[in-house]
Amino acid sequence: AQKVTQAQTEISVVEKEDVTLDCVYETRDTTYYLFWYKQPPSGELVFLIRRNSFDEQNEISGRYSWNFQKSTSSFNFTITASQVVDSAVYFCALSERIDYQLIWGAGTKLIIKP
Amino acid sequence: KAGVTQTPRYLIKTRGQQVTLSCSPISGHRSVSWYQQTPGQGLQFLFEYFSETQRNKGNFPGRFSGRQFSNSRSEMNVSTLELGDSALYLCASSLEVRPDTQYFGPGTRLTVL
Repeated sequence: AQKVTQAQTEISVVEKEDVTLDCVYETRDTTYYLFWYKQPPSGELVFLIRRNSFDEQNEISGRYSWNFQKSTSSFNFTITASQVVDSAVYFCALSERIDYQLIWGAGTKLIIKP
Repeated sequence: KAGVTQTPRYLIKTRGQQVTLSCSPISGHRSVSWYQQTPGQGLQFLFEYFSETQRNKGNFPGRFSGRQFSNSRSEMNVSTLELGDSALYLCASSLEVRPDTQYFGPGTRLTVL
């Protein structure tokens, strides 16, 4: 079973629309970390956020926001008023206490059309 | 602060050859990890180094090896290249070992013909 599921393979929206990228994870650990990374066409993985399992507060950073819900094992990412520059592949990752290795989701390709 | 740098950015090799990829971490970062990214397998962990010691290794054959130098710079080597080794190889650095946040370089795109 996949430990990190990003069910949306590809999402296409028109610029200025809001878009939510889903991430569902599976772990038995009580201590773990969740991450989001962005990979633009250039290839570099850009760190966006890290959240530990004890901090369920939602986070907002400009047009980006994250909704962490332990009850549903989800860590969703919303982009408000999307822009063409947001086009990229977005990865969600889990890091468990057993070895803290990053377990990656398959990624969601986001296409923002002008 | 400069980010993680990787050289070369692009490489074309033929089957049977060997290749060495280089990674310079963010200044002050002591941990370096390597990943292989392919369309079919996604992101797969290769190895993690800290203070010149390999701390963790992924499930890759012995043809894949790496090392870290005293200045934290790292190299990875792939010997006897196979077509399936064509991939984007990403290096990431962090201040300390996991679960410290990893910051990635631009990658080296290796094509094996």
